[in-house]
Amino acid sequence: GESVGLHLPTLSVQEGDNSIINCAYSNSASDYFIWYKQESGKGPQFIIDIRSNMDKRQGQRVTVLLNKTVKHLSLQIAATQPGDSAVYFCAENIWGGGNKLTFGTGTQLKVEL
Amino acid sequence: EPEVTQTPSHQVTQMGQEVILRCVPISNHLYFYWYRQILGQKVEFLVSFYNNEISEKSEIFDDQFSVERPDGSNFTLKIRSTKLEDSAMYFCASSSPTGVLQETQYFGPGTRLLVL
Repeated sequence: GESVGLHLPTLSVQEGDNSIINCAYSNSASDYFIWYKQESGKGPQFIIDIRSNMDKRQGQRVTVLLNKTVKHLSLQIAATQPGDSAVYFCAENIWGGGNKLTFGTGTQLKVEL
Repeated sequence: EPEVTQTPSHQVTQMGQEVILRCVPISNHLYFYWYRQILGQKVEFLVSFYNNEISEKSEIFDDQFSVERPDGSNFTLKIRSTKLEDSAMYFCASSSPTGVLQETQYFGPGTRLLVL
């Protein structure tokens, strides 16, 4: 069935280090993936997305990697800053399955000074 | 930068009462959504809306829920008879200025609903 899960509930990194947040998905039909950042009391904020015809996509300080063979998605944040502290969710969508997003459980990223 | 807005930010209601949550999607978007997030849990899809009708809904979206686009800018979620378990953060989202599927969904700040 559909499920999107995250490996680590909490990740602590030092300011300036790189962060890697992982996500596993089980539905091989999923073909569109999105990373959202959620700060306390706020709505999910779009970070970056990737379609299944790509393995890697880069944004500003962020990179998403998609490994379809093992159904794994990761978000890399370069030079992590205190403002990056938040919960990060991966979400998936299936082409032809409507527009609904299925969210994972989230990883809390804590940036230590 | 255009954004999704929601009102009210907080709503407290008694069990059995009706509530209406309001959203103003990004103006040129064509798909609208409601999601909810129970405290400490993941975000869950409720319903999507396109071309003035529901395009998809989840099992959560039962007969107690309804959505409406009463005018050209607002998108509402109504819960007819609230239950304690309806207490959650409700997020509105919108996407697809082109009407294409799998466009980025942009979320509003949410309405925190507390049912007593």
